[in-house]
Amino acid sequence: SQQGEEDPQALSIQEGENATMNCSYKTSINNLQWYRQNSGRGLVHLILIRSNEREKHSGRLRVTLDTSKKSSSLLITASRAADTASYFCATDSGGYNKLIFGAGTRLAVHP
Amino acid sequence: GAVVSQHPSRVICKSGTSVKIECRSLDFQATTMFWYRQFPKKSLMLMATSNEGSKATYEQGVEKDKFLINHASLTLSTLTVTSAHPEDSSFYICSATDRKATNEKLFFGSGTQLSVL
Repeated sequence: SQQGEEDPQALSIQEGENATMNCSYKTSINNLQWYRQNSGRGLVHLILIRSNEREKHSGRLRVTLDTSKKSSSLLITASRAADTASYFCATDSGGYNKLIFGAGTRLAVHP
Repeated sequence: GAVVSQHPSRVICKSGTSVKIECRSLDFQATTMFWYRQFPKKSLMLMATSNEGSKATYEQGVEKDKFLINHASLTLSTLTVTSAHPEDSSFYICSATDRKATNEKLFFGSGTQLSVL
């Protein structure tokens, strides 16, 4: 069953602004991943953070993980119109490589 | 990077017919593949885990006789929606992991939009 909750459900910003998306989960994890999905397409892996890590960076992406609060955040800095997509967090709570996805955040970046 | 090819990308069929969706790992071997279902503007719901050479493991509430999964080789898994009905209309996505990889990253197909009339 789906266990992740993400907020906000939808986010609309202007180009150049930062976008922050949050994800909460319910059970213990080994890692948490963030994926991006363009409308009607498959998912693309963005970043993976392990349970013993607190923060990770990849280009304009910054992910934090707070295992005590069972939450994670994804920050996209200096957003671009091309960042418009849905973003999902996923945990390995289902077992090895068996990902459980959050509800997702639909991000719209306006030029 | 690893590529997962999913075919077809879109299919329209009549109620009562069966539809087969293929998921191929093009440049790596995948012992395990996963099948997800996604409703519009919703998250991905894991349907089943497809294991090469053995029976698929279905999630609770997913009818195994309705959604037949075959994983006959290390590069191919198929999902057959049998006797499709309009309520089966959805976006189906497969994913796979490279069995030689040490990380847990999944590679996803581009999805199949199924519309049952």
